[in-house]
Amino acid sequence: DQQVKQNSPSLSVQEGRISILNCDYTNSMFDYFLWYKKYPAEGPTFLISISSIKDKNEDGRFTVFLNKSAKHLSLHIVPSQPGDSAVYFCAATYYNYGQNFVFGPGTRLSVLP
Amino acid sequence: ETGVTQTPRHLVMGMTNKKSLKCEQHLGHNAMYWYKQSAKKPLELMFVYNFKEQTENNSVPSRFSPECPNSSHLFLHLHTLQPEDSALYLCASSQESDFPYNEQFFGPGTRLTVL
Repeated sequence: DQQVKQNSPSLSVQEGRISILNCDYTNSMFDYFLWYKKYPAEGPTFLISISSIKDKNEDGRFTVFLNKSAKHLSLHIVPSQPGDSAVYFCAATYYNYGQNFVFGPGTRLSVLP
Repeated sequence: ETGVTQTPRHLVMGMTNKKSLKCEQHLGHNAMYWYKQSAKKPLELMFVYNFKEQTENNSVPSRFSPECPNSSHLFLHLHTLQPEDSALYLCASSQESDFPYNEQFFGPGTRLTVL
């Protein structure tokens, strides 16, 4: 059973608009979450992370929101750019499990010019 | 370019072959990882090495044999694989510290096909 779920396999957004990628988790022990981005023929690259002591973390155009009671997090990209088109993976871990990242299956984002 | 290289990028092998995947990190990190990504499945952690010592083996079949001769190099030795082992194999590294969560840097992966 998947502990980290990304229920939308794909998402298309117009350039300049907001992209919202969602992630749900089942393990209440998770206390640290990461988003990775992957282009074709490349490995995943780290984008942004959030600790469970926060409900929001922002880095430029990227903001991650965490709702612990709903076991839900989301990644907002504003404004979306064509170069953001990639597969986005949500990952989770917890203290004492820190090197074991549990990844979701990914969401493919297409930003249309 | 993340500082983690993998060779070969593509590999086709028969079920009776023996081959090895190689990973090298140029980041001065002290931990290295092997992940497997099968089609339409999440990345699955296979092995973790900290300071050259294996600390995690997530129930991986013995036909996969990792080797970490030093903190910069990681190998995955393959023998008598099955077609269902066809996948993208990703290597990653991180700098482990007192902070419990450390970003992992990934290589581009080796696309393995087992015939």
